[in-house]
Amino acid sequence: EMQLVESGGGLVQPGGSLRLSCEVSGFTISSSWMHWVRQAPGKGLVWVSRISEDGRVTNYVDSVKGRFTISRDDAKNTLYLQMNSLRPEDTAVYYCVRVVVTDVTYWFHPWGQGTLVTVSS
Amino acid sequence: ENVLTQSPGTLSLSPGERATLSCRASQSVNSNFLAWYQQKPGQAPRLLIYATSSRATGIPDRFRGSGSGTDFTLTISRLEPEDFAVYYCQHYSDSSLFTFGPGTKVEI
Repeated sequence: EMQLVESGGGLVQPGGSLRLSCEVSGFTISSSWMHWVRQAPGKGLVWVSRISEDGRVTNYVDSVKGRFTISRDDAKNTLYLQMNSLRPEDTAVYYCVRVVVTDVTYWFHPWGQGTLVTVSS
Repeated sequence: ENVLTQSPGTLSLSPGERATLSCRASQSVNSNFLAWYQQKPGQAPRLLIYATSSRATGIPDRFRGSGSGTDFTLTISRLEPEDFAVYYCQHYSDSSLFTFGPGTKVEI
């Protein structure tokens, strides 16, 4: 069974940093595109970042470019999101997601249970 | 940027009724890159439909996706109590990467 377990969320002051982790079991992250998606309290889903199977390609939503860095440790089968210069508007539940890409389509599955990041003084 | 709009914002229905959820894109979308997700309170989203009309593994056939171009629809033929949730459409494009719609809440 594929499972993704996020950790590392918590309360941080504006301008601070956090590193989120996503421990994966049931598949190897080196064979998958891995993504982060966030959801502010009571709001919708927002795609944040992705990393390719070989780690060479990373992309970010404009609002986090230059502040967030996605990475992974294949030996630990773990995905990370380093978040610096945090702002109150970064407050959200952060989900890690495996994205399956085929020749013609893609899908986001499975999702982790999420970890809450709260940016507040 | 291709913006997704979902309507209605909230759909109030009873079990056994049919639900029709709309997702409209501001520009034409490759139908291979249009997906739907279900989210229940306190839970992570769950994949329902990918490539406009392909049901994910384990999704019952009362869920049906359709559409093309800029207009896409998720239909739930007969609502079950467990179907009351928020539904999001999502698409991919080279320019915008991944975009979610604002969601439609299906409530009793």
